Amino acid sequence: DAKTTQPNSMESNEEEPVHLPCNHSTISGTDYIHWYRQLPSQGPEYVIHGLTSNVNNRMASLAIAEDRKSSTLILHRATLRDAAVYYCILRALNNAGNMLTFGGGTRLMVKP
Amino acid sequence: DTGVSQDPRHKITKRGQNVTFRCDPISEHNRLYWYRQTLGQGPEFLTYFQNEAQLEKSRLLSDRFSAERPKGSFSTLEIQRTEQGDSAMYLCASSLSGQNREQYFGPGTRLTVT
Repeated sequence: DAKTTQPNSMESNEEEPVHLPCNHSTISGTDYIHWYRQLPSQGPEYVIHGLTSNVNNRMASLAIAEDRKSSTLILHRATLRDAAVYYCILRALNNAGNMLTFGGGTRLMVKP
Repeated sequence: DTGVSQDPRHKITKRGQNVTFRCDPISEHNRLYWYRQTLGQGPEFLTYFQNEAQLEKSRLLSDRFSAERPKGSFSTLEIQRTEQGDSAMYLCASSLSGQNREQYFGPGTRLTVT
């Protein structure tokens, strides 16, 4: 799977929007972009995924650059419960088993 | 609670002992995954099952590790002759089959080898 690059950590204030960047300059045309997050002392949980178009769900929005070399996970209003490690993961089309390749992720800290 | 349970939640064992972990996935999920996570790192894929068939194993899964899913429901992961390097969180996840299906993770089993 192609590699992703994320900042090690970011800080946000509660109730403000958060933009978590991910670079994936070697992405192929058929790679899907997935985001998972891991709250303290828990297993990871799915957040969102997309291919080319921007995506919204109840948890977050995913903005994908036109050239697909980067994407941004947007939390519209951060809460203390959003403090977690956020992982940007590329899933190749030939990854029939949907195995996830996690990198180091971004540790998001939310200040009250 | 994601619906995926793991037992035990914590295990302390001495080097050289065998340990076995259990994962109960969401009942209608036919795929089951095992991952390992060491401190400060993201999870690493170990192996996955579709129903009872083990379809892929990572190079991380040495011959001391064996996983089963006998009836396509729960799964066990056994580590024989544990080593200190096996100390990690062992995570189980389940999903439906198909492209881009989200995986639901359990809380993990934390193994400490002394």
